[in-house]
Amino acid sequence: AQSVTQLDSQVPVFEEAPVELRCNYSSSVSVYLFWYVQYPNQGLQLLLKYLSGSTLVKGINGFEAEFNKSQTSFHLRKPSVHISDTAEYFCAVTRSNDYKLSFGAGTTVTVRA
Amino acid sequence: GAGVSQSPSNKVTEKGKDVELRCDPISGHTALYWYRQSLGQGLEFLIYFQGNSAPDKSGLPSDRFSAERTGGSVSTLTIQRTQQEDSAVYLCASSLDERVYEQYFGPGTRLTVT
Repeated sequence: AQSVTQLDSQVPVFEEAPVELRCNYSSSVSVYLFWYVQYPNQGLQLLLKYLSGSTLVKGINGFEAEFNKSQTSFHLRKPSVHISDTAEYFCAVTRSNDYKLSFGAGTTVTVRA
Repeated sequence: GAGVSQSPSNKVTEKGKDVELRCDPISGHTALYWYRQSLGQGLEFLIYFQGNSAPDKSGLPSDRFSAERTGGSVSTLTIQRTQQEDSAVYLCASSLDERVYEQYFGPGTRLTVT
């Protein structure tokens, strides 16, 4: 079974500063990786996904993530955050022949002016 | 277009009562998933439906939990004899099919068992 570790539970950041959210996974088989965002009192919205191909994945709202197979990581980055990026971010993984998502515990990003 | 909808948005029930949570997937999506989001356990997979295939119930935490999907569309998650540990946000998601690894989530139903 695969598991996901999000290394930071809370990340405070100032507006227009860069942010990186760390995600590591453990799996012995090929995986697909995802980042979801959850705004207060809303469902999850897909930011980006890695299925295959280029290890640098670009998503919505200026986010990108890099898949590193040797380090089993899929860190999320944004070069300049906005107040509206305040939300909880979840890293998720599924095996390439599966459909069930396994989620990390989430990282709460709070952007301050 | 319309996204995944869930009802009710909030449900408060007394311990021991049964509850039904409803999910309307995106039209044309054949795969439907239920997840639970709770403070202690994070986001957990509960059950998966794909077309007319038998559902994958491997994530249901106890036999008090059941789900059905009628006509390949609307799904109902039923919790019998609710317990306080059932308090959580129940999220429904759908995808075009199981090969499309993009699940669209509804806003969730917040269940509080008193």
